[in-house]
Amino acid sequence: DVVMTQTPVSLSVSLGGQVSISCRSSQSLVHNNGNTYLSWYLQKPGQSPQLLIYKVSNRFSGISDRFSGSGSGTDFTLKISRVEPDDLGVYYCGQGTQYPYTFGAGTKLELK
Amino acid sequence: EVQLVESGGGLVQPGRSMKLSCAASGFTFSNYGMAWVRQAPTKGLEWVATISYDGSSTYYRDSVKGRFTISRDNAKSTLYLQMNSLRSEDTATYYCTRDTRLGVPFAYWGQGTLVTVSS
Repeated sequence: DVVMTQTPVSLSVSLGGQVSISCRSSQSLVHNNGNTYLSWYLQKPGQSPQLLIYKVSNRFSGISDRFSGSGSGTDFTLKISRVEPDDLGVYYCGQGTQYPYTFGAGTKLELK
Repeated sequence: EVQLVESGGGLVQPGRSMKLSCAASGFTFSNYGMAWVRQAPTKGLEWVATISYDGSSTYYRDSVKGRFTISRDNAKSTLYLQMNSLRSEDTATYYCTRDTRLGVPFAYWGQGTLVTVSS
């Protein structure tokens, strides 16, 4: 199974600040078709997860350009700029390249 | 608007069965792959099973293989998860999810249904 390792476990940020979350996979996430199925999700308190970023760097429908994804192979990063109160919650990376699909353990974003 | 509404959760004894349903609306259900993802209380996300748009292909995590069955009724726009021989470690909120048109998994999520396996 592909192990997804997220760091840090938690982050404290001031409103308007910028943060980065790292996600590393135990194997390359490049699919046979050439795509890299690495996604980022946000689960706000008491809500279902929502897709933010797919295939490393593509923002999903309706997602602010304050969210950006980058990386390749086994090393990926989510950056959030100008943090707003609605950005708080737990962020997960996930891979959809190889079964079983797997997720990172999550990074909790809190206000400083 | 894409809507996924799960139902069928509740309290069940170990070893018993339960069937979850997910009613889909707001899109052409038969065009999309679907999946179930679960989340144990206070834990992270865990993929459970995936089914192709036409039901011809299914995939399961090892811990549920042989016990759980994912299926779909495209005429009813409904996804199912039949869960047999339930164990305490199956206790979780189960989310129904939909792929994107290009096959990116977990693009849309339902609100989840809680399954508690306990005597």
